[in-house]
Amino acid sequence: DIVMTQSPDSLAVSLGERATIDCKSSQSVLYSSNEKNYLAWYQQKPGQPPKLLIYWASIRESGVPDRFSGSGSGTDFTLTISSLQAEDVAVYYCQQYYSSPPFTFGPGTKVDIK
Amino acid sequence: EVQLVESGGGLVQPGGSLRLSCAVSGFTFSGYWMTWVRQAPGKGLEWVANIKQDESVTYYVDSVKGRFTISRDNAKNSLYLQMNSLRAEDTAVYYCARGRDDSGAYRALSFWGQGTLVTVSS
Repeated sequence: DIVMTQSPDSLAVSLGERATIDCKSSQSVLYSSNEKNYLAWYQQKPGQPPKLLIYWASIRESGVPDRFSGSGSGTDFTLTISSLQAEDVAVYYCQQYYSSPPFTFGPGTKVDIK
Repeated sequence: EVQLVESGGGLVQPGGSLRLSCAVSGFTFSGYWMTWVRQAPGKGLEWVANIKQDESVTYYVDSVKGRFTISRDNAKNSLYLQMNSLRAEDTAVYYCARGRDDSGAYRALSFWGQGTLVTVSS
């Protein structure tokens, strides 16, 4: 199974500042035939189900604010919140959906306001 | 509007069984792979199982293989998870989820239910 790791475990950022979360996969999730990275980012607020933010590593889901962006390829990925808002306080997970299941999640990164 | 509503959770003793259901609406259920994901209290997300549109293919995480069975009834727009030989470590909120599109299994999960809590304890 592909193992996903995230860093940091948690971070506190001032309102309006940038937040950056890294995600690493134990093997490449780039499918060479279509040049797509099978990597998604989710946001989960307390008491709520996860919400898809980014898919194919960099495509923003419909309705997701453009302050959220995803980048990276192969085994190394980043979620960036360009200007943190109060409503962005949540836990963020990356997930690979590349290999034959299970489609493993990262352990999560908690984002708070400094 | 896409909706997924889980039910069937509750308190069960170790070694017991439980069947979870997920009723869906707002999309053509028979056109999509469906997935169960769980989250232990205060912990992260764990992908559990998924099932192809016609039930011909299923996948499971190793920790539930041989104990859990995913199934579906396309006529009833419903997804199920039969859980047998339950253990304390199966205690979690169980979510059903649907992929972004109907092109296959290898998709991010764009629609989620609110989850149902399963507690395994004596």
